[in-house]
Amino acid sequence: NAGVTQTPKFQVLKTGQSMTLQCAQDMNHEYMSWYRQDPGMGLRLIHYSVGAGITDQGEVPNGYNVSRSTTEDFPLRLLSAAPSQTSVYFCASSYIRTGGGNTIYFGEGSWLTVV
Amino acid sequence: GNSVTQMEGPVTLSEEAFLTINCTYTATGYPSLFWYVQYPGEGLQLLLKATKADDKGSNKGFEATYRKETTSFHLEKGSVQVSDSAVYFCALIRGGSEKLVFGKGMKLTVNP
Repeated sequence: NAGVTQTPKFQVLKTGQSMTLQCAQDMNHEYMSWYRQDPGMGLRLIHYSVGAGITDQGEVPNGYNVSRSTTEDFPLRLLSAAPSQTSVYFCASSYIRTGGGNTIYFGEGSWLTVV
Repeated sequence: GNSVTQMEGPVTLSEEAFLTINCTYTATGYPSLFWYVQYPGEGLQLLLKATKADDKGSNKGFEATYRKETTSFHLEKGSVQVSDSAVYFCALIRGGSEKLVFGKGMKLTVNP
């Protein structure tokens, strides 16, 4: 019962460094997404994907890249970390069904600090 | 556009108190509505959901009813416990989309 797995759980980066947050799901979900959570802001969508080879931008995409080479994996890359990217990051996945109401499953979060 | 407005708190209650967290939404079409909960140091868990007007979602003693006429999805629990201390997020998905739109979250602390 792995569900959505994110790594690492905690990371400290220096300004300008790059890193990749990993996300994997074992439920054969078509839809995967990345959110960031900031105090008083709720969760905001960074990027999403509706299937392998297809990605698109969400509400706050600047400074982040994604790719979706397989159904299972959806890594989030920070190319040059900035203190403004200090946040908690959540990966999520779901089936795509007409009519809405799909349950979206979240990973446990990755706490990132950029100093 | 689509948006969710919820009580932001923080709120502190005593054990066994009644809880209401207000949530209203703006959306095109007929969205599905959700409450997610985040316990300290953990990720988000789906608490309950409703997919059409007048549906009532319920779980762990929490309830919320989809009110189309007032565009609301208020969360209620009759008697909170210390273990209910968490951050609660109201969210919606617009019909035909998989993108969740979240409220800002409300931190609840329940004291013994």
